[in-house]
Amino acid sequence: GAVVSQHPSRVICKSGTSVKIECRSLDFQATTMFWYRQFPKQSLMLMATSNEGSKATYEQGVEKDKFLINHASLTLSTLTVTSAHPEDSSFYICSATYHAGRHQPQHFGDGTRLSIL
Amino acid sequence: GENVEQHPSTLSVQEGDSAVIKCTYSDSASNYFPWYKQELGKRPQLIIDIRSNVGEKKDQRIAVTLNKTAKHFSLHITETQPEDSAVYFCAASMDNDMRFGAGTRLTVKP
Repeated sequence: GAVVSQHPSRVICKSGTSVKIECRSLDFQATTMFWYRQFPKQSLMLMATSNEGSKATYEQGVEKDKFLINHASLTLSTLTVTSAHPEDSSFYICSATYHAGRHQPQHFGDGTRLSIL
Repeated sequence: GENVEQHPSTLSVQEGDSAVIKCTYSDSASNYFPWYKQELGKRPQLIIDIRSNVGEKKDQRIAVTLNKTAKHFSLHITETQPEDSAVYFCAASMDNDMRFGAGTRLTVKP
């Protein structure tokens, strides 16, 4: 149980393109979803937290107009990297929890490797 | 906010030996401490977790200890195997606000 699916797994596109990444909880309703960015050989850096039906909460230093997050249902959150540039190249990974409140593990998607040429 | 420090950053052990990874956290309100294993290019996977009302938890070859007073917790892997080689992340969480350590790259030599 607690499977999170993330698509696409790999994106290569030109500078200036907008890229949408989907994160779906397949067998549970995700009250909260999280978006992380991971640089090579580094830790998971939280970008934003999204709750279904409300605006995402962004971490300090993360541009909300650059990284648009939509959490339209209890099973789907999307991250759109708008007008992507080479410095946006990274590994983006989502996670989800299925209960609000304490003591809940996060279940991760497989991640999306984004390469901007 | 919460700050999690993790040591060592790299760890190399011989197959069959034990491996210990240590983490400290700053926010005494944190009450949930999961450990994740991430293989190269793959998703982090939860391997064990501990809640703040427990001092130790064991699952086969993996154990975690928590010292709330000192605000540190540790992962212990016994009888290591080559397939244990991966990056391990600790995390500290309160009410869904989870912060990760920098990770430990464990290499188990056959």
